[in-house]
Amino acid sequence: DIQMTQSPSSLSASVGARVTITCRATQGINSYLNWYQQKPGKAPKLLIYTASNLQSGVPSRFSGSGSGTDFILTISSLQPEDFGTYYCQQTYGLSRTFGQGTRVEIK
Amino acid sequence: QITLKESGPTLVKPTQTLTLTCTFSGFSLITDGEGVAWIRQPPGKALEWLAIVYWDDDKRYSPSLQSRLTITKDTSKNQVVLTVTTMDPVDTATYYCAHRGRWQAHDVFDVWGQGTMVIVSS
Repeated sequence: DIQMTQSPSSLSASVGARVTITCRATQGINSYLNWYQQKPGKAPKLLIYTASNLQSGVPSRFSGSGSGTDFILTISSLQPEDFGTYYCQQTYGLSRTFGQGTRVEIK
Repeated sequence: QITLKESGPTLVKPTQTLTLTCTFSGFSLITDGEGVAWIRQPPGKALEWLAIVYWDDDKRYSPSLQSRLTITKDTSKNQVVLTVTTMDPVDTATYYCAHRGRWQAHDVFDVWGQGTMVIVSS
């Protein structure tokens, strides 16, 4: 089964900072990679689908890139409302595996 | 507007079977490309995908839980039901259902329910 590893597990950054989160698959998954944001006590929200496509209504400061095994979520200018946990998810293999999450804190 | 809502028991005993219902609106599970998935999240832990049912009644399950899961759809009621047999305290989690984006080439969960918390305890 395909496993997803995110790094870092957590980060703390200032408002306006550029933030990158990486996600690595144990085997190639083409571009079948989604990114979600989850705030405490809330359901996840889709940010990016198929590696680089911005979901409707999501601010343009969020972007995704990558294909194969290595993927990146970038927040170009961190905003106070961007706190939460970010998950990548692959949908290429038999399972639709999530990464373990990256917790983003605002300094 | 697509909405989904999970319902089911808050507390189940070990060894019992859990039955959860996802009631949705804004789409039909008879329409080409549609699907509904279940995902769970133990307290303080990561998301775990469980199962998905598609408009054509095709179904996929998490390999690690497949023997314990059954997903079914009732298109007349706009509901998807997930059953989990032989519940254990490690199955304590918030259970979410989510809509699969119809126009996607792969599974993209674009709308989620609010989730329902299930505690497994005697």
